[in-house]
Amino acid sequence: GAGVSQSPRYKVTKRGQDVALRCDPISGHVSLYWYRQALGQGPEFLTYFNYEAQQDKSGLPNDRFSAERPEGSISTLTIQRTEQRDSAMYRCASSGRTGGEQYFGPGTRLTVT
Amino acid sequence: AQSVAQPEDQVNVAEGNPLTVKCTYSVSGNPYLFWYVQYPNRGLQFLLKYITGDNLVKGSYGFEAEFNKSQTSFHLKKPSALVSDSALYFCAVRDSGNTPLVFGKGTRLSVIA
Repeated sequence: GAGVSQSPRYKVTKRGQDVALRCDPISGHVSLYWYRQALGQGPEFLTYFNYEAQQDKSGLPNDRFSAERPEGSISTLTIQRTEQRDSAMYRCASSGRTGGEQYFGPGTRLTVT
Repeated sequence: AQSVAQPEDQVNVAEGNPLTVKCTYSVSGNPYLFWYVQYPNRGLQFLLKYITGDNLVKGSYGFEAEFNKSQTSFHLKKPSALVSDSALYFCAVRDSGNTPLVFGKGTRLSVIA
């Protein structure tokens, strides 16, 4: 079946602009996770959802970052007033149940100029 | 708090030889351990996991990993390396509670023909 998809795959934006990154999880997966991965590093947790409920947002760097999953399927990660330090690969993953193995999408490469 | 250490940035091995990619972890409770592989310009792919049961876990593409509680290790192994195994490998851990997955910084495996 279809895996996790993310869009856009690449995003270049100017400093100060808002961006919205989309994640479409595997159909029926309960949990959805957002990570940020810097070059040469492992993914770092940002936030996760069970169904539509945001369970943990402790990894969001500051209040410019927010995420939602209003219908328990597609999720959007929004970054307001982007800064150059926000440039990274943003990865989404889903799992069939909380704590199960996570399946990752291809990521969105965000570049803030 | 959970943590993962992958002590080797790079592992080089000749094709046909056995390979080992090292991982040690720290968690407050029982560990849930995972290995992922990342090929260039691709998302992370799940290889295998340890939750409970046999200490030797078998996964995709002929990989296996051995859970060693006393050494808090979960090294990834394969009896005979292939050139196509060349990629970036990530170890990850979470505890048995509802905590985020914590990744190591990754080990780049290079298999030389």
